[in-house]
Amino acid sequence: DIQMTQSPSSLSASVGDRVTIACRASQAISSYLNWYQVKPGQAPKLLIYGASNLHSGVPSRFSGTGVGTHFSLSISSLQPEDLATYFCQQSHTTPWTFGQGTKVE
Amino acid sequence: QVQLHESGPGLVKPSQTLSLLCNVSHGSLSGGEYYWAWIRQAPGKGLEWLGYIYYTGIPYYNPSLRSRLTLSLDTSANQVSLILNSVTAADSATYHCARKVVFRGLIDSDAFDVWGRGARVTVSS
Repeated sequence: DIQMTQSPSSLSASVGDRVTIACRASQAISSYLNWYQVKPGQAPKLLIYGASNLHSGVPSRFSGTGVGTHFSLSISSLQPEDLATYFCQQSHTTPWTFGQGTKVE
Repeated sequence: QVQLHESGPGLVKPSQTLSLLCNVSHGSLSGGEYYWAWIRQAPGKGLEWLGYIYYTGIPYYNPSLRSRLTLSLDTSANQVSLILNSVTAADSATYHCARKVVFRGLIDSDAFDVWGRGARVTVSS
């Protein structure tokens, strides 16, 4: 299975800060990388697909970059509603696997 | 906008069988564009993809669970079901139903674009 490693596991930031979350794959996955936002008690949301494509309805302050084994999710100006846990997921090879999550506090 | 809603027993005894349903509203299971997946999150842990099923009824399972997992769907009722046999405490988690879509572009990207809130399941005697 492809292992996905996120860093940091948690971070503390203030409203307006730029936040960046890293995700590393154990083998090259081209651009087959998605990002999700998860809040307790809510349905998870797809933010980014194909490493850098913003899903419909997602605010433009979210962006994704990377190819191969190194990826990142950035929030250009953190908003209160962005406090959540973020997961990366590879869709290159089944079984699809997720990172362990990054909690933004 | 399609909505997914999971339902289940909440509490299951060890070694017994877990059965969950996903009701799909404002959308149809019968369209050929989508696959219907189950993903779980154990307390304090990450997300784990369990498997998905196509509208034809053909399932694809995570090898780690293949021997215990059965997915099926009822297109007339717009429901997807999950059956997990011989559960242990390690199967305690929130189980999400999700729709898998393929985004066409320079590369065709699979992603889970719609999720349910999840059904919390505890395995305990």
